[in-house]
Amino acid sequence: KNEVEQSPQNLTAQEGEFITINCSYSVGISALHWLQQHPGGGIVSLFMLSSGKKKHGRLIATINIQEKHSSLHITASHPRDSAVYICAVGGGGGADGLTFGKGTHLIIQP
Amino acid sequence: DTGVSQDPRHKITKRGQNVTFRCDPISEHNRLYWYRQTLGQGPEFLTYFQNEAQLEKSRLLSDRFSAERPKGSFSTLEIQRTEQGDSAMYLCASSVVSWWPEAFFGQGTRLTVV
Repeated sequence: KNEVEQSPQNLTAQEGEFITINCSYSVGISALHWLQQHPGGGIVSLFMLSSGKKKHGRLIATINIQEKHSSLHITASHPRDSAVYICAVGGGGGADGLTFGKGTHLIIQP
Repeated sequence: DTGVSQDPRHKITKRGQNVTFRCDPISEHNRLYWYRQTLGQGPEFLTYFQNEAQLEKSRLLSDRFSAERPKGSFSTLEIQRTEQGDSAMYLCASSVVSWWPEAFFGQGTRLTVV
């Protein structure tokens, strides 16, 4: 069973700061997801990675398969980025195989 | 069809009552997943369907939990004789093909058992 660890668990930062959230996993995977969950509960998929780096707007996700580690970066952070960010890893076909981290609770203060 | 839809968004029920939640996946998605998320935890997988076939149900939390997807479109998750420990967010997700782990999530149904 894959173990997924996220750090930090909680992060409070000022608007404009560069944010990094880390995810480590224990077993080799086929894909890693970064998800965003707002207080209302709905989950939005931000990225799915199997190698390298992806960028979407102010969000950047990287993965190092050899080190079993991924990072999510937010540049020029804004209060609307406040949410829980969840890392999920998949070892086989289908989202039934996803193992989720506990999430990182991010608060961006104006 | 803009995404995965779940109904209701919130449900408060008395202990011992039965509850049923509905999930409408993205229309061309043939895989549908149910997850449960308790406070402060990441989601945990419960069950999934490939079209109308339920391919994994051993991780349903107890025999009080059951799920159906009768026509391969929407799905229902039923909890019988609810207990306070069932209070959680129940999330549904769907994906287009079986071998690719990308899934699109609904807003969730938050259940509170009092």
